[in-house]
Amino acid sequence: GEEVAQTPKHLVRGEGQKAKLYCAPIKGHSYVFWYQQVLKNEFKFLISFQNENVFDETGMPKERFSAKCLPNSPCSLEIQATKLEDSAVYFCASSQSTARYNEQFFGPGTRLTVL
Amino acid sequence: DQQVKQNSPSLSVQEGRISILNCDYTNSMFDYFLWYKKYPAEGPTFLISISSIKDKNEDGRFTVFLNKSAKHLSLHIVPSQPGDSAVYFCAASGGNYGQNFVFGPGTRLSVLP
Repeated sequence: GEEVAQTPKHLVRGEGQKAKLYCAPIKGHSYVFWYQQVLKNEFKFLISFQNENVFDETGMPKERFSAKCLPNSPCSLEIQATKLEDSAVYFCASSQSTARYNEQFFGPGTRLTVL
Repeated sequence: DQQVKQNSPSLSVQEGRISILNCDYTNSMFDYFLWYKKYPAEGPTFLISISSIKDKNEDGRFTVFLNKSAKHLSLHIVPSQPGDSAVYFCAASGGNYGQNFVFGPGTRLSVLP
């Protein structure tokens, strides 16, 4: 598609439950990025993919968070055993490359609320 | 440790006047800077960028100025329009962050008719 699509728009989970977020990058874009925005503060980089391969995961919490980008499927970000502090808006972005001069196109975000 | 700072959480400007949004950074290895604009319930959209080899980049009503010695950049919008009302994020990349962007906390601009 011409836009980055993210589903669902809103997700509510009880503490300890699993949360799974999806992202469909723009067609033809090889790179996908996930960001976390807590309380309208700055975007925290989580992980990036080049096609189905992890490109950079330096921002991913070591526990509970995992992500995949499989061929012919939306990319996913999964949080096992959610905690209150995971409440945030999770943005996905895609670009044609990771070269800095290549613009990242952002999706509308998924708002995760952990109760 | 916030490496990209936007010290003004909000800014109000009259329509037709100039809006100046400021951004400071601490990492001298950053060499590429971008501004993103975000409306409520939408993802950020790219606005304008500047490489550290330049000190100014202009695109229509939007101009970004970079002062490397002061580790400061600013976004000027002239003339401001009500449709410019949004949250503006400054982002930087380079050094240990490579291609990843480090975002500031954003400044909410309100352009009053």
